[in-house]
Amino acid sequence: GDSVTQMEGPVTLSEEAFLTINCTYTATGYPSLFWYVQYPGEGLQLLLKATKADDKGSNKGFEATYRKETTSFHLEKGSVQVSDSAVYFCALSDYSSASKIIFGSGTRLSIRP
Amino acid sequence: DSGVTQTPKHLITATGQRVTLRCSPRSGDLSVYWYQQSLDQGLQFLIQYYNGEERAKGNILERFSAQQFPDLHSELNLSSLELGDSALYFCASSGRTSLSVNEQFFGPGTRLTVL
Repeated sequence: GDSVTQMEGPVTLSEEAFLTINCTYTATGYPSLFWYVQYPGEGLQLLLKATKADDKGSNKGFEATYRKETTSFHLEKGSVQVSDSAVYFCALSDYSSASKIIFGSGTRLSIRP
Repeated sequence: DSGVTQTPKHLITATGQRVTLRCSPRSGDLSVYWYQQSLDQGLQFLIQYYNGEERAKGNILERFSAQQFPDLHSELNLSSLELGDSALYFCASSGRTSLSVNEQFFGPGTRLTVL
């Protein structure tokens, strides 16, 4: 079945560092890909999405490109801030999964001032 | 604010008890999804309803059931509770078709603690 694998956390960086969180997926169809973020004590928020190969999703300085050839959707940000500290989930959804979202295990990110 | 509301925010109960979690989707959304977030299992899809009908089932235990009412709000019923049912339960809603891959909007969750 469909699945998502993302890098284990926790990840600790200094403010203004470059961030990459790796994500790869397995899917039988042509999924849409998402990054969700969960801030401490809050629910899930959609950070960005891409619906087809080579699409780039971007929001709040974060970017991810849908790479079909490597089945990847890595999250990047050029300069992180303390306020980016959260748990980040890579996820997919497609017709074969009846539109439910399949999440990766989450990566906890902590940014030091 | 996603527009999805969930009540209660916190729920503390004892083993063997039964609880009901409530979700109101965004205005106009016909699909409601339930997810469970626990430390050992991560985020898992439980069940989806579309316009009152069950559409898809995931890793939902037989002790759990859900329904979606004519006003489109949904309830998740958890019975014969066990310690391992302690988790954060999220509801999400999405747009007007059941087949298209739509962005899902998540509620703030209900934190269930079983003592």
